Amino acid sequence: KAGVTQTPRYLIKTRGQQVTLSCSPISGHRSVSWYQQTPGQGLQFLFEYFSETQRNKGNFPGRFSGRQFSNSRSEMNVSTLELGDSALYLCASSWDQALFGNEQFFGPGTRLTVL
Amino acid sequence: AQSVAQPEDQVNVAEGNPLTVKCTYSVSGNPYLFWYVQYPNRGLQFLLKYITGDNLVKGSYGFEAEFNKSQTSFHLKKPSALVSDSALYFCAVSWNQAGTALIFGKGTTLSVSS
Repeated sequence: KAGVTQTPRYLIKTRGQQVTLSCSPISGHRSVSWYQQTPGQGLQFLFEYFSETQRNKGNFPGRFSGRQFSNSRSEMNVSTLELGDSALYLCASSWDQALFGNEQFFGPGTRLTVL
Repeated sequence: AQSVAQPEDQVNVAEGNPLTVKCTYSVSGNPYLFWYVQYPNRGLQFLLKYITGDNLVKGSYGFEAEFNKSQTSFHLKKPSALVSDSALYFCAVSWNQAGTALIFGKGTTLSVSS
């Protein structure tokens, strides 16, 4: 079974631009979560989508947004990029069949560099 | 607010020795606790979780974790370390009971020497 895939793997943008990252979950998984990983702040939760609805949201500014499609694929968008947005963006999917504590499967990440 | 703390940036152990990676948590309500491991070229992987029940939780690759409610700790342990266990380990607590909105600790680098 294919794992979580993220595209593109690497991205270079300049300040002020916007960017869209894509995540394809494992087949059958309905939950997709996004995380930002930086050396200074570590791993931080951005948001989670389940059945095309945002179910949870972390403490990030409104420049960060996302959506989920009917096939569970998800995209996240960052508008008006800042230097501090340079990070590894990780996507994770889950069956979300258990009521408690579902295991998340992580993709390899998209490395975003903002110049 | 929910949070986890990993007090050690790095843990060094010799192969064959037991290892412990420490984690403490702060939650309101029931804690849903996880350990994940990040290998250099293999991404982040689930190791184990505590939801309820036995305080000793067994997970992948021979790892286990001990939940201690009075000390609000969830330490990761392994009886005999392998060089291949060298990686970055994250403790996490979930915002939601589904386990899909994780608050991670800063991570602990485990280095196992031969």
